[in-house]
Amino acid sequence: NAGVMQNPRHLVRRRGQEARLRCSPMKGHSHVYWYRQLPEEGLKFMVYLQKENIIDESGMPKERFSAEFPKEGPSILRIQQVVRGDSAAYFCASSRMGQDHYEQYFGPGTRLTVT
Amino acid sequence: AQKVTQAQTEISVVEKEDVTLDCVYETRDTTYYLFWYKQPPSGELVFLIRRNSFDEQNEISGRYSWNFQKSTSSFNFTITASQVVDSAVYFCALRTQAAGNKLTFGGGTRVLVKP
Repeated sequence: NAGVMQNPRHLVRRRGQEARLRCSPMKGHSHVYWYRQLPEEGLKFMVYLQKENIIDESGMPKERFSAEFPKEGPSILRIQQVVRGDSAAYFCASSRMGQDHYEQYFGPGTRLTVT
Repeated sequence: AQKVTQAQTEISVVEKEDVTLDCVYETRDTTYYLFWYKQPPSGELVFLIRRNSFDEQNEISGRYSWNFQKSTSSFNFTITASQVVDSAVYFCALRTQAAGNKLTFGGGTRVLVKP
């Protein structure tokens, strides 16, 4: 049973380009969470999605960032017109249900570097 | 609002010494879950333990032990007889019903175990 998959593992973008980060949840999981870890900091919640629905995007920057989790395929975190401050590790986690007692399993992360 | 504080940013010990990592949390919710994660130099997040608010029993797993005290809102983590492989950043996290399913992380404590 494969774990949470994220790709790419490392992504380099120039300022102004778009970054697309992908997350495939564990089999049977229908809930996905995205977290961002800035250098030398802890993880900060960004967004929580269910298939075809955004449940909580309270941690998502208002501009340039968007997320989706379509009926088929991986969840995508999209960052438009990247800036140097977007350089961070982006972690995805998935859970089987949205109930608070279901574990979140983390992927290996995508390290985004903006040059 | 939920908050997790890890006051120690970095701890350096010599192999075989014990090390205790402090975690203090804040929440008004009566039902919540506390977690510890390990982030080794390779960058992935490794789940160590989950404790719910109704279970104050301390837990031991090999060289790891956890002390949960609701009276002081603390969930401390001790590594006994530390080894070089324990060198990592350790994060304490909180999840509450009121905040949905998102995890609130502390800032992390970097542990350096010297041979």
